[in-house]
Amino acid sequence: AQTVTQSQPEMSVQEAETVTLSCTYDTSESDYYLFWYKQPPSRQMILVIRQEAYKQQNATENRFSVNFQKAAKSFSLKISDSQLGDAAMYFCAYRSANTGNQFYFGTGTSLTVIP
Amino acid sequence: EAGVTQFPSHSVIEKGQTVTLRCDPISGHDNLYWYRRVMGKEIKFLLHFVKESKQDESGMPNNRFLAERTGGTYSTLKVQPAELEDSGVYFCATSTSGRARVTEQFFGPGTRLTVL
Repeated sequence: AQTVTQSQPEMSVQEAETVTLSCTYDTSESDYYLFWYKQPPSRQMILVIRQEAYKQQNATENRFSVNFQKAAKSFSLKISDSQLGDAAMYFCAYRSANTGNQFYFGTGTSLTVIP
Repeated sequence: EAGVTQFPSHSVIEKGQTVTLRCDPISGHDNLYWYRRVMGKEIKFLLHFVKESKQDESGMPNNRFLAERTGGTYSTLKVQPAELEDSGVYFCATSTSGRARVTEQFFGPGTRLTVL
């Protein structure tokens, strides 16, 4: 079974600085998708960014970018110019391209943004 | 457009009681998923509906959990009888059945269930 590991339960960053959240995963598949979801306090999870495994180029969405290392099975999220609204729980997720639609999630990283 | 909604937001019950959680999907979303997060652990898949049919229920913990999706619209997840280890946050997510290679799952705010 696929597993997703987020080794940083908590992280903090100064406002306007850059922070990187780590995520590794284990799979024997070659075609899959990776996601970062954000859950602000008392609010629902929203998609931050996604990456298709067959694409070598790292995905970017404004201040959010990923470092996708397929051989190392690593999928880190970089948040640049951190803002107070970035404070949230961040979940890394994996989905197979071939064997079902379920997501496999990590345990989450709680990000605090310090003013 | 309304997002995925879940009811109730919180539920506190005693061991042995029954609780029913409800999820209302985004209109037109054929796929509906239930997930659960136990405190401090990963979010785990429970099951997947395509319209009213159960596509995959491999993540359901045991037969105390019953999920339904009548008419392919809203879904309910009933726990009967509830046990202490059922405590956690139950998330519902929905997605379209589009032709896109990657379909995003839209999550509800979750129901926090506490079993005493």
